[in-house]
Parts: sequence; C-alpha cells; structure tokens
Amino acid sequence: DIQMTQSPPSLSASVGDRVTITCRASQGISNSLGWFQQKPGKAPKSLIYGASSLQSGVPSKFNGRGSGTEFTLTISSLQPEDSATYYCQQYNSFPYSFGQGTKLEIK
Amino acid sequence: QVQLVESGGGVVRRGGSVRLSCAASGFTFSSYGMNWVRQAPGKGLEWVAFISYDGNNRYYAGSVRGQFTISRDNSKDTLYLQMNNLRPDDTAVYYCAKIMWPVVRGVFDYWGQGTLVTVSS
Repeated sequence: DIQMTQSPPSLSASVGDRVTITCRASQGISNSLGWFQQKPGKAPKSLIYGASSLQSGVPSKFNGRGSGTEFTLTISSLQPEDSATYYCQQYNSFPYSFGQGTKLEIK
Repeated sequence: QVQLVESGGGVVRRGGSVRLSCAASGFTFSSYGMNWVRQAPGKGLEWVAFISYDGNNRYYAGSVRGQFTISRDNSKDTLYLQMNNLRPDDTAVYYCAKIMWPVVRGVFDYWGQGTLVTVSS
C-alpha cells in the first residue's frame, strides 16, 4: 500500500502571505495526485488533480506541482476564507490513500 | 448540476449492520465510477471503497474488506455501502465521491455532504 505523508501538520500565516504544503508518497505515483480543501463541518472540496491541474472554478491562487514521490501545494495571496485543512490523495493504485492533512490558520 | 446526497446514517449497536445510500443527480450516473470515503470524528480522510461504472470492479480498504460491500443500482442512480459487524472504530462521517471522467478510475471531483454513522458500544 502507498503511504502519503504531508508536512507540516499545521501552519499559521497572515493575510496576503504565500504558503506551501508538501506531500510525499512512499513509492512513485507518477502525477496521480489530488488536493482537497475541507472546512469545519463541511465536505471536502476538490482543488487539483493530476498534481497540477485546477478543478473547474478553483482560483489560480492554488498551484500544484510535482511528480513521482514529491508534491507541493502552494496557496498565494492568502485570505481568511483559505483557512481550512488541506489533504493530498493518491489515486495511482488501490487502495487509494490520503495524507493526514495540513491545517492552515490565517492570522 | 451534480448532486450527491447520502442517507442511512444513525446510531447502531456494536455488531449491527447499516446500509448507506448515495442518491446521484445531474449527471449520467451509470457512466461514472464512485467511491466511499470516511472521516472519524476529529480525524483525517480515509478512502473506503470504489466501484466501477458498471459494478463489475470493486476495491476496498484493508480495514473494511470482508466487512463492507459497495454496490450500485444504475436504474435508480444510487450508490450503496452495506456495513456489517460494525465496531466503534467505524464511527465516522461517510461521504460518497464521484470519479471525474466516465468509465475510468482515479480523479475525484464531486462529494456529497456526508452521513454520520455512530457505533455504540
């Protein structure tokens, strides 16, 4: 099974800042990686697929990169509404797996 | 407009069974693979199961294999998750999630709002 490891587990940033979240796969997954945003009490929202492609309607402030085993999600021009937990997920092979999440707080 | 609406959650006793449903609308349900994902209280997301568009291929997380069964009724545009021999650690919000492209596996796009299953000991 493929393990997904995210870092950091949490981070705090200010309005207008840029932050980067890292996701590492325990083995190569090509670009079969998605990123999701989840706000408290809400369902996850799909942000990025194929490691770097934006889902429809997702603003370009979200940027995904990477291939193989190392991936990043960068969020720029942070706004209060970006406060959420972010998850990566591999869909290269079953069983699919998620990272443990990164909680982003906007100061 | 894609909509996924889960139902069937509630409180169930340890060892009991429950069947979750996910009613789909706004797309051709019979053309898309579907997933169940769960989230225990205060915890992260855990993928549970996948079923192909035609129901012929099913995959499960090791933690639920032999205990849960994913199925679908394409005539009713509905996805199911039969959960048996439930344990307290099965307590979670259960989400259904749609695969983005017809026929294939992989990318998730739309998610339902979730249904809470609480297993009492």
